[in-house]
Amino acid sequence: EADIYQTPRYLVIGTGKKITLECSQTMGHDKMYWYQQDPGMELHLIHYSYGVNSTEKGDLSSESTVSRIRTEHFPLTLESARPSHTSQYLCASSLHRDQETQYFGPGTRLLVL
Amino acid sequence: AQSVTQLGSHVSVSEGALVLLRCNYSSSVPPYLFWYVQYPNQGLQLLLKYTTGATLVKGINGFEAEFKKSETSFHLTKPSAHMSDAAEYFCAVSKSSASKIIFGSGTRLSIRP
Repeated sequence: EADIYQTPRYLVIGTGKKITLECSQTMGHDKMYWYQQDPGMELHLIHYSYGVNSTEKGDLSSESTVSRIRTEHFPLTLESARPSHTSQYLCASSLHRDQETQYFGPGTRLLVL
Repeated sequence: AQSVTQLGSHVSVSEGALVLLRCNYSSSVPPYLFWYVQYPNQGLQLLLKYTTGATLVKGINGFEAEFKKSETSFHLTKPSAHMSDAAEYFCAVSKSSASKIIFGSGTRLSIRP
């Protein structure tokens, strides 16, 4: 079973608030990812990281930012939440040499009012 | 560019019946292909993957998929559906172990008693 955790699982917040979605993995994986998933839609990669101090933008433009100060931790931050940010955010990780097998966290469902 | 098309956003079968979830891909190079399953309120879990070698791939929970290059397909099958198979299924493709994974839009599988 994958050991990748996301908190909070659900978040309802008002417009303009700053939020941080947490993601941690205890598998020692090098690569970590953030995906955005709307209901009935495909996953869109918004950020990824090859390792500590490495962050890259994904395929889908996002106003969020990420940081990778520790191998196990890959938080995503929205400085000023808007209703358009309402979505599900999925975090994943993989070993660098086997990165096609990604292990996913349970996701955070975000609702911005 | 690579892409994945999943035919049918919702598939419903009776318990004990054959499950067939369709996936077609486009890729300029030999692809790596995956099926992920997402149970309600959970993250994605790898069902099976094709990288090289045998074109019929067996996964967890009795699922299997066959890579057909001539048809650019990677359909997922299970001989006999179980109620616990109800979930969202995502087909995905990447160019290599060093490339990002592109996900399809998903197919929701419902099982009728």
